[in-house]
Amino acid sequence: AQSVTQLDSHVSVSEGTPVLLRCNYSSSYSPSLFWYVQHPNKGLQLLLKYTSAATLVKGINGFEAEFKKSETSFHLTKPSAHMSDAAEYFCVVSANDYKLSFGAGTTVTVRA
Amino acid sequence: ETGVTQSPTHLIKTRGQQVTLRCSSQSGHNTVSWYQQALGQGPQFIFQYYREEENGRGNFPPRFSGLQFPNYSSELNVNALELDDSALYLCASSPGVAGRTDTQYFGPGTRLTVL
Repeated sequence: AQSVTQLDSHVSVSEGTPVLLRCNYSSSYSPSLFWYVQHPNKGLQLLLKYTSAATLVKGINGFEAEFKKSETSFHLTKPSAHMSDAAEYFCVVSANDYKLSFGAGTTVTVRA
Repeated sequence: ETGVTQSPTHLIKTRGQQVTLRCSSQSGHNTVSWYQQALGQGPQFIFQYYREEENGRGNFPPRFSGLQFPNYSSELNVNALELDDSALYLCASSPGVAGRTDTQYFGPGTRLTVL
């Protein structure tokens, strides 16, 4: 069984300040972990992917995530938020099978 | 390289009707997965097709069915529509072998409204 818990349903930041989105996972196997972003009325775009290589994963648009097995966490960060980062973010786990299991999502708003 | 496309963009149906949604895979991808995203929730896995065969299924009733064609495009069919079927339906394609966790690339979705 596999599941994901996104610890914050909504995060609000000022433009130019850091962003932290928290994700804990549960998996019976060594998981693959993903972060996807969804802008309003758009499909899902892959930000980054972890597949048991380096624990610090760099993605697109300045995002990165760190895999911590001891804490079963995969938090997403960005040093400086931009207005275009306002969107819904999903943490996703897949445990050696075909199915992606999504978290409930975190809504990010960016204040000017 | 053409990405994943879906049609139609929006659809309105009434309870009890049947609907067919369509998806074209990204070039070179032989695996298609379908997800249902209800308003305010994360996507839920419906099923996956690999080389025209169903490869796995989530917790959805049999009235949700699918097909994959030799060109790897796919259809999602839903019979006897219910109000709770109103959602964004997302198709995702991936390049790889069944049973391996490949990155899935998503289309823009079809917004289905059931009245």
